[in-house]
Amino acid sequence: AQTVTQSQPEMSVQEAETVTLSCTYDTSESDYYLFWYKQPPSRQMILVIRQEAYKQQNATENRFSVNFQKAAKSFSLKISDSQLGDAAMYFCAYRSEFQGGSEKLVFGKGTKLTVNP
Amino acid sequence: DGGITQSPKYLFRKEGQNVTLSCEQNLNHDAMYWYRQDPGQGLRLIYYSQIVNDFQKGDIAEGYSVSREKKESFPLTVTSAQKNPTAFYLCASRRGGGAHEQFFGPGTRLTVL
Repeated sequence: AQTVTQSQPEMSVQEAETVTLSCTYDTSESDYYLFWYKQPPSRQMILVIRQEAYKQQNATENRFSVNFQKAAKSFSLKISDSQLGDAAMYFCAYRSEFQGGSEKLVFGKGTKLTVNP
Repeated sequence: DGGITQSPKYLFRKEGQNVTLSCEQNLNHDAMYWYRQDPGQGLRLIYYSQIVNDFQKGDIAEGYSVSREKKESFPLTVTSAQKNPTAFYLCASRRGGGAHEQFFGPGTRLTVL
C-alpha cells in the first residue's frame, strides 16, 4: 500500500522569505500523480499544485513550485515570497488506484506553516 | 457558481443516535468521496462513489453508511455503531475519466455529546 510521509509537523517562515515543505512517499507504481493541498483555518481544502510522475519538469503555480525527485520518491513544496495568507496546514497527497480501477488520495499527516510578519 | 456544499457546518449528536451529513455538488462530477479528519492526522477515506447507485468502502467504513441516488448528492450517515464519531468530515468530488484532482467542500464538524 502506498504511504505518504511529511516529516515536519510544524514550520515557520518570515513574511517575504522562502520555505520548503518536505514530503516522501512509497510506491511500486511507475506512473502516478502527486498533489499538495492547503487547509487554512477555515478548514477548506484547497488544491495548490499537482505533479504527474511521467513529467520530468517540476510543476509551478505562481509562488508555489515543487521539487519532484522520482528516484528518491520525494515531492517537496517551495513557497516563495511568503505571505500571511499562506499560513495553513499543508497536506501532501498521492493518487492511488484501488478496488478494480477506482482511485483515492492517500494523505500525509500535514505540516502546519506559520508565517511571521 | 459551481462548487460543493456541505451541511450543516456544525452538528451535535447524542450517543446512540444516527445522524446524516449532507454533501451536494453542481460540478457535474462523476466521483464523490467522504473523508474523516482527526487532530494531527491526515484525511482518511470512509466511502467512495464512482457513479450513481454504486459506492465502495474506503479504509475506515465501519459505523458509516452512504447512498448515491443522484449524481449531485452523496449523503453520509454516521450510525450508533461508530465508536468514536467526533471528527471533521470532508466531502470531495472528482470529474472522472483522466481527471485526478479532487475538490473539497467546506466540511462538517460532528461532536458527540
